[in-house]
Amino acid sequence: EPEVTQTPSHQVTQMGQEVILRCVPISNHLYFYWYRQILGQKVEFLVSFYNNEISEKSEIFDDQFSVERPDGSNFTLKIRSTKLEDSAMYFCASRNRLDTEAFFGQGTRLTVV
Amino acid sequence: GENVEQHPSTLSVQEGDSAVIKCTYSDSASNYFPWYKQELGKRPQLIIDIRSNVGEKKDQRIAVTLNKTAKHFSLHITETQPEDSAVYFCAASIFRNYGGSQGNLIFGKGTKLSVKP
Repeated sequence: EPEVTQTPSHQVTQMGQEVILRCVPISNHLYFYWYRQILGQKVEFLVSFYNNEISEKSEIFDDQFSVERPDGSNFTLKIRSTKLEDSAMYFCASRNRLDTEAFFGQGTRLTVV
Repeated sequence: GENVEQHPSTLSVQEGDSAVIKCTYSDSASNYFPWYKQELGKRPQLIIDIRSNVGEKKDQRIAVTLNKTAKHFSLHITETQPEDSAVYFCAASIFRNYGGSQGNLIFGKGTKLSVKP
């Protein structure tokens, strides 16, 4: 069964460093998302991406964040200068229609020290 | 923007009992309501979803009901089993076939369900 895959599974970085989280969505999907989940809390929407551009973003997704789909298969989330409060599980998701299941990747646990 | 409230935050039941989790949403334009199950350290996985043109949907032991007037939807799990133990999240989103919102999911805070054997 096709699935969304994310790399790395765990990333430890020093405060102020840049990180890039990578996702490979399911191949025929059109809509792509990044969510984050701080330990023990709810899943929070960061950004949605469609037709090679950002379609919506939340207040969390400030100038330190950016997304790209560089090669038609990968979907990346970049955090330019990480802060301690960026420590969380980051989930990528994709779907082929807006009224059907959004499939989540297994997540990248980001730890900022 | 949309806000989703979920209750209770924790729920403990005996194996075989039913469990009910309730959510309310604020944006009357929301029209797609999925429920996700998340086991510890794993990804959220869809267990059931409902669209706003339907009042109830059932899949074996799991059912979801939607009351659009009250902006309220609920998850019902019957004959609970220990493997149902997990955190359950409700979510709401808006989809429009001709542009506009791209269906980002707004989640509730989750319900930790414990099923005791």
